[in-house]
Amino acid sequence: EAQVTQNPRYLITVTGKKLTVTCSQNMNHEYMSWYRQDPGLGLRQIYYSMNVEVTDKGDVPEGYKVSRKEKRNFPLILESPSPNQTSLYFCASSSWRESYEQYFGPGTRLTVT
Amino acid sequence: AQSVTQPDIHITVSEGASLELRCNYSYGATPYLFWYVQSPGQGLQLLLKYFSGDTLVQGIKGFEAEFKRSQSSFNLRKPSVHWSDAAEYFCAVLGKAAGNKLTFGGGTRVLVKP
Repeated sequence: EAQVTQNPRYLITVTGKKLTVTCSQNMNHEYMSWYRQDPGLGLRQIYYSMNVEVTDKGDVPEGYKVSRKEKRNFPLILESPSPNQTSLYFCASSSWRESYEQYFGPGTRLTVT
Repeated sequence: AQSVTQPDIHITVSEGASLELRCNYSYGATPYLFWYVQSPGQGLQLLLKYFSGDTLVQGIKGFEAEFKRSQSSFNLRKPSVHWSDAAEYFCAVLGKAAGNKLTFGGGTRVLVKP
């Protein structure tokens, strides 16, 4: 089954404790992206990757890092989480060779206390 | 810069009544437009998309949307709402010239009255 998976689905952590949210897709998509969803703001792009070893900032990249060492994986790293990073995070992937439709993961709800 | 506005934050509709959700976009070139639905506690599901061609597009779950270039709009409609349509709906525009960036509107939450 074609899908985007994220782990963990729920995470409660404390300020300053480094964490990684994993994202993996099995569709051989070139493009992957991370979004955060906050009430009234819709989804905002954090980082995206056009292909392996190619990443770029989205609209709200501060406090986040990403890497794309393999085509299928695109982890989101919070080196020193802060309470304002409490949010719902979505990973997405797409292939512009086939369609521009982005497929979304199930989401990761992060709480930073 | 591309942007999307969904003017209605909340809409309440009776079951069986029609539904229309408004979406206005700003983009310099021909837009690729999408509507996604998010049920409570769920991820995003694509309802429909517009790339080119017929300006009235059909989607899943009985939804349709009409692209109007002159009004920069892409409104979503459903003739008869079911209780299961209660969800949050997001309109989005994709900027091919901006790294395939998908820009979302703020969302419209739909409540369905019995």
